[in-house]
Amino acid sequence: AQSVTQPDIHITVSEGASLELRCNYSYGATPYLFWYVQSPGQGLQLLLKYFSGDTLVQGIKGFEAEFKRSQSSFNLRKPSVHWSDAAEYFCAVGPNSGGSNYKLTFGKGTLLTVNP
Amino acid sequence: DSGVTQTPKHLITATGQRVTLRCSPRSGDLSVYWYQQSLDQGLQFLIQYYNGEERAKGNILERFSAQQFPDLHSELNLSSLELGDSALYFCASGGYYGYTFGSGTRLTVV
Repeated sequence: AQSVTQPDIHITVSEGASLELRCNYSYGATPYLFWYVQSPGQGLQLLLKYFSGDTLVQGIKGFEAEFKRSQSSFNLRKPSVHWSDAAEYFCAVGPNSGGSNYKLTFGKGTLLTVNP
Repeated sequence: DSGVTQTPKHLITATGQRVTLRCSPRSGDLSVYWYQQSLDQGLQFLIQYYNGEERAKGNILERFSAQQFPDLHSELNLSSLELGDSALYFCASGGYYGYTFGSGTRLTVV
């Protein structure tokens, strides 16, 4: 069964500092990988996704993530954090194929606080 | 606007009551997924429908049920409500290319 671990429940960074949110997955093959962001009281918004190819993927709002097969990781990064990035971030994993039974498995999320 | 519409946005009801949450998926998406999000349980998958048929079940209580109609909108029915059912309920549509989430229904059971 697929699973996702986000080791950090809560991270605090200063505005302008760099950010890395960790995500480790368990899956029998190379999965499809996703990062979502949830602002307070809002739904989840897709930041970026990895299917295949270049292991460094760019997303919206200046975020990027790197897929490392050897480490079963898909960490999210941003070089300089803005106060508006304060939110909860979810990593998700899914099978590397389509189909009507397709289902993502989400991690428990990492809450990001940004200090001025 | 994500393209996934959920109504109502807020719902306050008493214990023991029944409510219906509605979701219209993004145009072209055949799958609808329902999630419950609470502070203590986090994001919990409830159930998935694809083109009117149930495809996957998660941690959905027997008091809860869902269906997807021919026009692809979906309804989540919650009955015999308890205080612990208070949560944000999200609907998402999509598939292997990613999910698009609605803005959720905040249910408060008093």
